[in-house]
Amino acid sequence: AQKVTQAQTEISVVEKEDVTLDCVYETRDTTYYLFWYKQPPSGELVFLIRRNSFDEQNEISGRYSWNFQKSTSSFNFTITASQVVDSAVYFCALSEVDSSYKLIFGSGTRLLVRP
Amino acid sequence: DVKVTQSSRYLVKRTGEKVFLECVQDMDHENMFWYRQDPGLGLRLIYFSYDVKMKEKGDIPEGYSVSREKKERFSLILESASTNQTSMYLCAHRGAEETQYFGPGTRLLVL
Repeated sequence: AQKVTQAQTEISVVEKEDVTLDCVYETRDTTYYLFWYKQPPSGELVFLIRRNSFDEQNEISGRYSWNFQKSTSSFNFTITASQVVDSAVYFCALSEVDSSYKLIFGSGTRLLVRP
Repeated sequence: DVKVTQSSRYLVKRTGEKVFLECVQDMDHENMFWYRQDPGLGLRLIYFSYDVKMKEKGDIPEGYSVSREKKERFSLILESASTNQTSMYLCAHRGAEETQYFGPGTRLLVL
């Protein structure tokens, strides 16, 4: 059965610290997508990144980077030099071809960046 | 930019009222979704639609129905609102490479 686990419920860091948000997934499909979304206090879910199961290249976008490792079924998200504006809830999600690409969300990690 | 709009950001209704939540997307995408989000329970899929007049139940469809008369619009209907339907409702549509894009959400309070 498909599942996404975000073991860290809440993380608190001081501005400029680096922080890594963990995501572990379970799937029997060979074709699937992984996503990260950000939910600021306003409530809207903002798409950050997508990775398909055939592309294990890590990605960097500004202060954000993602590490996808199929061997450990993990898709971790690192924020470098965190800022107060990074404070939000972050969700990892999985979609599989066998489930009609419905999104399975993790429970989210609340990140608080203190000035 | 991908755009999804929801008819209200905040809504207060009384128990037993019929409630309509509207969602509109401007990308001509076929697949649209309604979720609810509750503390400790995460996001749960209520219904989704893969084309006009086509719908499928998600994980928690009880107490809800949907309408998709036009491709750009997907409505969630609470036939008789109850207090346990107080929640945050999020609409999404699916674009390229299975990516879902979400609207701003509607916080519904049922008294």
